[in-house]
Amino acid sequence: NAGVTQTPKFRVLKTGQSMTLLCAQDMNHEYMYWYRQDPGMGLRLIHYSVGEGTTAKGEVPDGYNVSRLKKQNFLLGLESAAPSQTSVYFCASRRRPGVDSNQPQHFGDGTRLSIL
Amino acid sequence: SQQGEEDPQALSIQEGENATMNCSYKTSINNLQWYRQNSGRGLVHLILIRSNEREKHSGRLRVTLDTSKKSSSLLITASRAADTASYFCATAAGRDDKIIFGKGTRLHILP
Repeated sequence: NAGVTQTPKFRVLKTGQSMTLLCAQDMNHEYMYWYRQDPGMGLRLIHYSVGEGTTAKGEVPDGYNVSRLKKQNFLLGLESAAPSQTSVYFCASRRRPGVDSNQPQHFGDGTRLSIL
Repeated sequence: SQQGEEDPQALSIQEGENATMNCSYKTSINNLQWYRQNSGRGLVHLILIRSNEREKHSGRLRVTLDTSKKSSSLLITASRAADTASYFCATAAGRDDKIIFGKGTRLHILP
């Protein structure tokens, strides 16, 4: 059981380049999330999805797009990378909140992205 | 803006002592969660407390929640060197149970 897998683990881009970060989970979770973590800022929510085919904006969505074509995958895209997007990106997934709302998130190990 | 704010930002204590971290938040919540992050790794869920609960225990962890003050605390008893990590609180709120994290507390256990 791999849990949440993020690819790639590291990437260096030039300003203006585009790329897609992949998050895959094998726990059949309905909800998936993308966060970025910067020094002193904690984790900030970029986009999230409550099910296949649905996405929603988080706290810092500008400059990013997401897609959830398959339940197990959540893709984060940078169309034109900027130095301000240098960060560590984390993906998380969880089951749909039930009556008791007792559903923690499961995290991947992160993708370290540098924009030159 | 971020929902949760941890206090203190950093904490250093001797091994064997108790460590207490606090979290304050701004809006009504469904539940509050605490996570741990070791350097260079993803976050690991520690404990969840629902909005109608006031205290919860898990091993050496004790979490309290005061919804009237919009605050929570995490107590780690009998700390160990392996507890050195960053600790984050996260609030789940709204119909989608959207989860927002605080900035974290860096805990360093001195041998």
